[in-house]
Amino acid sequence: DGGITQSPKYLFRKEGQNVTLSCEQNLNHDAMYWYRQDPGQGLRLIYYSQIVNDFQKGDIAEGYSVSREKKESFPLTVTSAQKNPTAFYLCASSIVPGANVLTFGAGSRLTVL
Amino acid sequence: AQTVTQSQPEMSVQEAETVTLSCTYDTSESDYYLFWYKQPPSRQMILVIRQEAYKQQNATENRFSVNFQKAAKSFSLKISDSQLGDAAMYFCAYRRITSSNNDMRFGAGTRLTVKP
Repeated sequence: DGGITQSPKYLFRKEGQNVTLSCEQNLNHDAMYWYRQDPGQGLRLIYYSQIVNDFQKGDIAEGYSVSREKKESFPLTVTSAQKNPTAFYLCASSIVPGANVLTFGAGSRLTVL
Repeated sequence: AQTVTQSQPEMSVQEAETVTLSCTYDTSESDYYLFWYKQPPSRQMILVIRQEAYKQQNATENRFSVNFQKAAKSFSLKISDSQLGDAAMYFCAYRRITSSNNDMRFGAGTRLTVKP
């Protein structure tokens, strides 16, 4: 079955460490996105990529980095520069940029100790 | 910037009854999309229903329907014959039609509890 796989589901990090969250899709979608979800807030866009080797900052990109070397993969690195990284992270994709339907992964929960 | 407001942090409904979740949004655009997403305890977001602003007819998907009031910028979700599996967080979302980056704006969510 086609879908989006995010790993790990739970991740613990010590302050000062970088961590990378994996996002893989087998839907053959062109566009991929990273969202952050905090309690009491809606999803906020961190980064998005419309095509391989291209990505753009979203609303809250500071302290995060991404790469898009393959169509099916869009990993997110949470760097030590991110002041409040504890959150739930959701990866999504759409068949083309601007398509009005997003498919989401199951998310990754990052906790900074 | 477009904003989406869900004024009900929590709602509850008796099984088999009907419940309506509220959503308002702010935009200066005339054409856009509106969505309701469901996030069950598994945390995976699932599209429930969507509405194109240029369509006057309210969207319906089985037990789920919307009341789209464009002039009032209101987009409520009605769940009929509520089932235990409907318990989840529900997010209202907005996206401009002209957006090339799928810049989707989400509300803060409404947690729906279904009582047996």
